[in-house]
Amino acid sequence: GAVVSQHPSWVICKSGTSVKIECRSLDFQATTMFWYRQFPKQSLMLMATSNEGSKATYEQGVEKDKFLINHASLTLSTLTVTSAHPEDSSFYICSARDLTVEQYFGPGTRLTVT
Amino acid sequence: GEDVEQSLFLSVREGDSSVINCTYTDSSSTYLYWYKQEPGAGLQLLTYIFSNMDMKQDQRLTVLLNKKDKHLSLRIADTQTGDSAIYFCAESTDDYKLSFGAGTTVTVRA
Repeated sequence: GAVVSQHPSWVICKSGTSVKIECRSLDFQATTMFWYRQFPKQSLMLMATSNEGSKATYEQGVEKDKFLINHASLTLSTLTVTSAHPEDSSFYICSARDLTVEQYFGPGTRLTVT
Repeated sequence: GEDVEQSLFLSVREGDSSVINCTYTDSSSTYLYWYKQEPGAGLQLLTYIFSNMDMKQDQRLTVLLNKKDKHLSLRIADTQTGDSAIYFCAESTDDYKLSFGAGTTVTVRA
């Protein structure tokens, strides 16, 4: 149990376009979903916290107008990278939490902006 | 989040015990976690410990917490080649926002 999926697993886009990444909890309802960013050989950095039906809260330094987060249901959250630039290239990972302590991570989405 | 630090590399012989160390600075940390990340994959929760506990054991894994020194360790007994991965230490308060260390790359040699 406790599986989190992400789609797509990798995406290449041109500079200036927007990309949407989906995060789904497959077998549980996620009260909260988190979005992280991981640079090569570095740790995960929390970008934002997403609660179903409410606005996401962003960490300091993360542009909310650039990284749009929608948490439409208890099993789906989306991250849209708007007007992507090469510096947005990264590994984006979501996690989902039910009512317990444990947080379950998706497999990640590799974004490359050319 | 607050700072979480861990050593970057650990090499261990197959069959020996591995010990990965982590320090953190947030005195209000409620939960401390160990995650495993294999190449190209997401993070897998190995275990977590409440800040009011000193030790937690789960099969080959033993977590020790020294809250006074803000020091966390993960011991893997009888290390196997499948244990080669990056291990992340993380902490959170009651908001469950995770602050991660940089990760320790564990290499198991035959």
